Amino acid sequence: SQTIHQWPATLVQPVGSPLSLECTVEGTSNPNLYWYRQAAGRGLQLLFYSVGIGQISSEVPQNLSASRPQDRQFILSSKKLLLSDSGFYLCASRSRLGSYNEQFFGPGTRLTVL
Amino acid sequence: RKEVEQDPGPFNVPEGATVAFNCTYSNSASQSFFWYRQDCRKEPKLLMSVYSSGNEDGRFTAQLNRASQYISLLIRDSKLSDSATYLCVVRPSGSARQLTFGSGTQLTVLP
Repeated sequence: SQTIHQWPATLVQPVGSPLSLECTVEGTSNPNLYWYRQAAGRGLQLLFYSVGIGQISSEVPQNLSASRPQDRQFILSSKKLLLSDSGFYLCASRSRLGSYNEQFFGPGTRLTVL
Repeated sequence: RKEVEQDPGPFNVPEGATVAFNCTYSNSASQSFFWYRQDCRKEPKLLMSVYSSGNEDGRFTAQLNRASQYISLLIRDSKLSDSATYLCVVRPSGSARQLTFGSGTQLTVLP
Protein backbone atom coordinates (compact mmCIF):
# COMPACT_ATOMS: atom_id res chain seq x y z
CA SER A 1 0.00 0.00 0.00
CA GLN A 2 0.97 3.61 -0.32
CA THR A 3 2.09 6.00 2.40
CA ILE A 4 1.45 9.72 2.11
CA HIS A 5 3.43 12.22 4.13
CA GLN A 6 2.22 15.76 4.68
CA TRP A 7 3.66 18.62 6.61
CA PRO A 8 3.13 20.61 8.60
CA ALA A 9 0.32 18.98 10.56
CA THR A 10 -1.09 22.30 11.73
CA LEU A 11 -0.47 25.85 10.64
CA VAL A 12 -1.70 29.26 11.76
CA GLN A 13 -1.02 32.05 9.30
CA PRO A 14 -2.06 35.70 9.04
CA VAL A 15 -4.13 36.95 6.13
CA GLY A 16 -1.91 37.99 3.24
CA SER A 17 0.96 35.68 4.13
CA PRO A 18 2.32 33.03 1.73
CA LEU A 19 1.67 29.31 2.02
CA SER A 20 3.55 26.18 1.08
CA LEU A 21 2.26 22.71 1.93
CA GLU A 22 4.24 19.68 0.90
CA CYS A 23 3.17 16.13 0.19
CA THR A 24 5.35 13.14 -0.61
CA VAL A 25 4.30 9.64 -1.54
CA GLU A 26 5.92 6.25 -0.91
CA GLY A 27 5.07 2.83 -2.21
CA THR A 28 4.06 3.63 -5.76
CA SER A 29 5.36 5.12 -8.98
CA ASN A 30 3.73 7.57 -11.36
CA PRO A 31 0.54 7.96 -9.34
CA ASN A 32 -2.26 10.44 -9.84
CA LEU A 33 -1.96 13.03 -7.08
CA TYR A 34 -4.65 15.24 -5.61
CA TRP A 35 -5.10 18.17 -3.26
CA TYR A 36 -8.42 18.45 -1.42
CA ARG A 37 -9.76 20.96 1.06
CA GLN A 38 -12.34 20.16 3.68
CA ALA A 39 -13.96 23.07 5.47
CA ALA A 40 -15.33 22.46 8.96
CA GLY A 41 -18.37 20.17 8.76
CA ARG A 42 -18.23 20.05 4.99
CA GLY A 43 -17.36 17.55 2.29
CA LEU A 44 -14.12 17.18 0.36
CA GLN A 45 -13.50 19.76 -2.34
CA LEU A 46 -11.00 18.79 -5.03
CA LEU A 47 -8.59 21.66 -5.63
CA PHE A 48 -5.95 20.24 -7.98
CA TYR A 49 -4.95 16.95 -9.54
CA SER A 50 -1.87 15.83 -11.40
CA VAL A 51 -1.30 12.90 -13.73
CA GLY A 52 2.46 13.45 -14.05
CA ILE A 53 5.44 15.65 -13.34
CA GLY A 54 4.69 19.26 -14.22
CA GLN A 55 1.07 18.43 -15.14
CA ILE A 56 -1.48 20.24 -12.99
CA SER A 57 -5.22 20.61 -13.46
CA SER A 58 -7.19 23.08 -11.40
CA GLU A 59 -10.72 22.27 -10.40
CA VAL A 60 -11.83 25.59 -8.94
CA PRO A 61 -10.65 29.16 -9.46
CA GLN A 62 -8.86 30.42 -6.40
CA ASN A 63 -5.73 32.06 -5.10
CA LEU A 64 -3.99 28.72 -4.63
CA SER A 65 -1.60 26.97 -6.99
CA ALA A 66 -0.02 23.53 -7.14
CA SER A 67 3.18 22.10 -8.52
CA ARG A 68 4.61 18.63 -9.04
CA PRO A 69 8.37 18.96 -9.34
CA GLN A 70 9.00 15.23 -8.87
CA ASP A 71 6.98 12.10 -9.51
CA ARG A 72 6.04 11.62 -5.85
CA GLN A 73 6.07 15.20 -4.63
CA PHE A 74 3.09 17.53 -4.74
CA ILE A 75 3.12 21.08 -3.40
CA LEU A 76 0.25 23.45 -2.66
CA SER A 77 1.05 27.15 -2.53
CA SER A 78 -0.40 30.58 -2.18
CA LYS A 79 1.16 34.01 -2.48
CA LYS A 80 -1.43 35.68 -0.24
CA LEU A 81 -3.75 33.77 2.03
CA LEU A 82 -7.39 34.72 2.52
CA LEU A 83 -9.57 34.02 5.54
CA SER A 84 -11.59 31.65 3.38
CA ASP A 85 -8.49 29.49 2.82
CA SER A 86 -8.83 28.07 6.33
CA GLY A 87 -9.56 24.36 6.30
CA PHE A 88 -8.21 20.84 6.39
CA TYR A 89 -5.94 20.19 3.40
CA LEU A 90 -5.54 16.62 2.29
CA CYS A 91 -3.12 15.21 -0.23
CA ALA A 92 -4.12 11.96 -1.91
CA SER A 93 -2.53 9.45 -4.22
CA ARG A 94 -4.05 6.86 -6.48
CA SER A 95 -2.46 4.31 -8.75
CA ARG A 96 -3.54 4.66 -12.37
CA LEU A 97 -4.14 1.03 -13.01
CA GLY A 98 -7.53 -0.52 -12.34
CA SER A 99 -10.98 0.82 -11.60
CA TYR A 100 -11.15 -0.23 -7.97
CA ASN A 101 -7.71 0.81 -6.82
CA GLU A 102 -7.78 2.61 -3.50
CA GLN A 103 -7.14 6.31 -3.13
CA PHE A 104 -4.86 6.89 -0.16
CA PHE A 105 -4.90 10.08 1.85
CA GLY A 106 -2.19 11.77 3.84
CA PRO A 107 -2.80 12.80 7.46
CA GLY A 108 -3.69 16.34 6.38
CA THR A 109 -2.68 19.86 7.31
CA ARG A 110 -5.07 21.90 9.41
CA LEU A 111 -4.70 25.54 8.30
CA THR A 112 -6.14 28.47 10.20
CA VAL A 113 -5.91 31.89 8.59
CA LEU A 114 -6.35 34.78 11.03
CA ARG B 1 -28.11 18.70 -8.11
CA LYS B 2 -25.02 17.39 -6.34
CA GLU B 3 -23.08 14.62 -8.07
CA VAL B 4 -23.20 12.46 -4.96
CA GLU B 5 -25.86 13.00 -2.31
CA GLN B 6 -26.02 11.58 1.17
CA ASP B 7 -28.21 12.12 4.19
CA PRO B 8 -25.87 14.06 6.51
CA GLY B 9 -27.42 12.64 9.66
CA PRO B 10 -26.43 12.54 12.39
CA PHE B 11 -27.47 8.98 13.07
CA ASN B 12 -27.36 8.18 16.77
CA VAL B 13 -27.86 4.48 17.42
CA PRO B 14 -27.35 2.17 20.42
CA GLU B 15 -24.65 -0.46 20.45
CA GLY B 16 -25.78 -3.60 18.68
CA ALA B 17 -28.20 -1.80 16.38
CA THR B 18 -28.34 -2.17 12.63
CA VAL B 19 -28.00 1.03 10.67
CA ALA B 20 -28.25 1.74 6.94
CA PHE B 21 -26.87 4.62 4.93
CA ASN B 22 -28.02 5.59 1.47
CA CYS B 23 -26.40 7.50 -1.32
CA THR B 24 -27.48 8.57 -4.79
CA TYR B 25 -25.29 9.65 -7.68
CA SER B 26 -26.16 11.68 -10.76
CA ASN B 27 -23.71 10.41 -13.39
CA SER B 28 -25.18 7.28 -14.92
CA ALA B 29 -21.84 6.47 -16.53
CA SER B 30 -20.11 6.14 -13.17
CA GLN B 31 -17.84 3.17 -13.07
CA SER B 32 -16.63 2.44 -9.55
CA PHE B 33 -18.13 2.92 -6.14
CA PHE B 34 -16.73 3.01 -2.63
CA TRP B 35 -17.48 3.72 0.98
CA TYR B 36 -14.82 5.62 2.91
CA ARG B 37 -14.76 6.23 6.62
CA GLN B 38 -13.48 9.42 8.22
CA ASP B 39 -12.84 9.69 11.93
CA CYS B 40 -13.03 13.10 13.58
CA ARG B 41 -10.13 15.32 12.48
CA LYS B 42 -8.51 12.49 10.55
CA GLU B 43 -8.09 11.61 6.90
CA PRO B 44 -10.62 9.43 5.05
CA LYS B 45 -9.79 5.75 4.71
CA LEU B 46 -11.26 3.14 2.42
CA LEU B 47 -13.90 1.02 4.15
CA MET B 48 -14.97 -1.09 1.22
CA SER B 49 -15.55 -1.08 -2.50
CA VAL B 50 -19.07 -1.60 -3.82
CA TYR B 51 -19.53 -4.15 -6.55
CA SER B 52 -22.52 -4.65 -8.84
CA SER B 53 -23.48 -7.93 -7.22
CA GLY B 54 -23.26 -6.48 -3.72
CA ASN B 55 -20.58 -7.46 -1.26
CA GLU B 56 -20.09 -8.13 2.41
CA ASP B 57 -17.16 -7.65 4.74
CA GLY B 58 -17.90 -8.89 8.22
CA ARG B 59 -20.61 -6.70 9.71
CA PHE B 60 -20.66 -4.42 6.68
CA THR B 61 -22.73 -4.97 3.55
CA ALA B 62 -22.64 -2.71 0.51
CA GLN B 63 -25.11 -2.75 -2.36
CA LEU B 64 -25.34 -1.01 -5.69
CA ASN B 65 -28.42 -0.39 -7.79
CA ARG B 66 -27.27 0.99 -11.13
CA ALA B 67 -30.79 1.43 -12.50
CA SER B 68 -31.72 3.71 -9.60
CA GLN B 69 -28.19 5.12 -9.24
CA TYR B 70 -28.24 4.23 -5.60
CA ILE B 71 -25.65 2.84 -3.19
CA SER B 72 -26.20 1.61 0.33
CA LEU B 73 -24.14 0.58 3.33
CA LEU B 74 -25.54 -1.61 6.08
CA ILE B 75 -23.78 -1.98 9.42
CA ARG B 76 -24.95 -4.80 11.66
CA ASP B 77 -24.28 -5.17 15.38
CA SER B 78 -22.91 -1.62 15.68
CA LYS B 79 -19.85 -1.07 17.85
CA LEU B 80 -18.75 2.09 19.61
CA SER B 81 -15.74 2.11 17.30
CA ASP B 82 -18.04 2.43 14.28
CA SER B 83 -18.69 6.05 15.23
CA ALA B 84 -17.38 8.11 12.32
CA THR B 85 -18.46 9.90 9.18
CA TYR B 86 -19.16 7.61 6.23
CA LEU B 87 -18.41 9.00 2.79
CA CYS B 88 -20.05 7.70 -0.37
CA VAL B 89 -17.58 7.88 -3.26
CA VAL B 90 -18.09 7.51 -7.00
CA ARG B 91 -15.60 7.32 -9.85
CA PRO B 92 -16.94 8.60 -13.17
CA SER B 93 -16.30 6.43 -16.20
CA GLY B 94 -13.14 7.29 -18.10
CA SER B 95 -12.05 9.86 -15.59
CA ALA B 96 -8.43 9.75 -14.55
CA ARG B 97 -8.77 12.81 -12.50
CA GLN B 98 -10.82 12.19 -9.45
CA LEU B 99 -13.18 10.40 -7.21
CA THR B 100 -16.34 12.33 -6.35
CA PHE B 101 -17.05 12.38 -2.62
CA GLY B 102 -20.37 12.82 -0.93
CA SER B 103 -20.51 15.14 2.06
CA GLY B 104 -20.76 12.20 4.42
CA THR B 105 -23.17 10.73 6.93
CA GLN B 106 -22.26 11.08 10.57
CA LEU B 107 -22.80 8.05 12.79
CA THR B 108 -22.57 7.97 16.57
CA VAL B 109 -22.95 4.62 18.31
CA LEU B 110 -24.05 5.10 21.91
CA PRO B 111 -23.25 2.77 24.82
